[in-house]
Order: sequence, then C-alpha cells, then structure tokens
Amino acid sequence: EAQVTQNPRYLITVTGKKLTVTCSQNMNHEYMSWYRQDPGLGLRQIYYSMNVEVTDKGDVPEGYKVSRKEKRNFPLILESPSPNQTSLYFCASSLSGTGGSSEQYFGPGTRLTVT
Amino acid sequence: DAKTTQPPSMDCAEGRAANLPCNHSTISGNEYVYWYRQIHSQGPQYIIHGLKNNETNEMASLIITEDRKSSTLILPHATLRDTAVYYCIVRVLRTSGTYKYIFGTGTRLKVLA
Repeated sequence: EAQVTQNPRYLITVTGKKLTVTCSQNMNHEYMSWYRQDPGLGLRQIYYSMNVEVTDKGDVPEGYKVSRKEKRNFPLILESPSPNQTSLYFCASSLSGTGGSSEQYFGPGTRLTVT
Repeated sequence: DAKTTQPPSMDCAEGRAANLPCNHSTISGNEYVYWYRQIHSQGPQYIIHGLKNNETNEMASLIITEDRKSSTLILPHATLRDTAVYYCIVRVLRTSGTYKYIFGTGTRLKVLA
C-alpha cells in the first residue's frame, strides 16, 4: 500500500532534550516536506526536500533540522526542543516539487508536547 | 503569494450536495487550486485539483470561475463520513522554481443525519 509513515505518533518530552521524528514513503517520490499545524494558523511548512541531499527552508524553519540521505526517508530533528514547538507535525511527499500537478500525500501526524 | 478565503463552517443534510466556496482573487495564471480534507487530526487527504477547467473525479467536482478568482468544491451526495475540515489551497511557484502550497484555515463541514 502506498503510504507515508511517521514515528512516533505521540511524543511528550522536556525542554532541551534532542529528538527525531522519522518519516518514510514507499512511493519513490522525489519531493518530501514537513509541516506543523497549530490552532488558528493552519498548516505551515517547516522544511522541504527536492531530492536526496537537497533540502531548503520553508516558512517556519527556526529550531528544526532535516536531512535527506535516502530518497524514502526525511527525518525531522529538534536539537533543543522548546515549549513553542508543541504542535501537530505532518510529513508529506509528492512525485515532484517542480513539474506537473502531482498531489501531496500526507502522513498520519505526530503530536509533540514539549514541557 | 495568493491567499484563499473560506467560510469557517457549513452544515449539509446527509444525501444532499455540499457546495464549499473558496475565494482566491489574487491567484496567478499558472497557479493550481487544490482541495484537501482533514478528518479530526488525521493527515490531510487529497480530493481534487484544477487550473482553469472544471474537474470531476470519484470523490468530488471542482468548479472554477472563468476569471479564476473563486472556486467551488461539490460533494454530490454528502454522507456522515464527509464531516471534516476542507482546505482550499493554492500552489504557488517560488523564485527557486519549486512549488509551495498555501493553506488557508479551511471550512469545517458538518453533515447532519
């Protein structure tokens, strides 16, 4: 089944403790992206990746890192989480980020709470 | 960047057509309109997209006005399972040549039995 998976689905952590949220897709998509969703603010893009080893900042990249060493994986790293990073996070992928009109497939979400 | 405006909420009777409007008056000529929905806090689910012409698939129809400044998503026979938040999204082109999806705050559709 074509899908985007994220782990963990729920995470409660403390300020400053480094964490990684994994994202994997099995559709051989070139483009992958991370969003955060907060009440009243909709979905905002954190980082995106056009292909392996190619990443760029989205609208709200501060406090986050990403890497794309393999086509299928796009982990989101919070080096020193803070309470304002408490949010619902979604990973998404699509065939391409530059051509055509391909839709994005979203993962199930990761609910992160930083205390 | 193009922005979208949607009513915050709508109700629809089960079995009737649900018509969800979206205003995107600042859209540019090569920018697509996408519709997604989100049930509870699950990942957004793709519904349909279009550029200029009306589109139809197994889930819905998309009607885009001739001037492209607004569109309507039509769910022809709404069911209780269609209760969700519906997002109208404009896909814009960055100066880098990559695409960016601009999400609005969506319309919360409630289908009533």
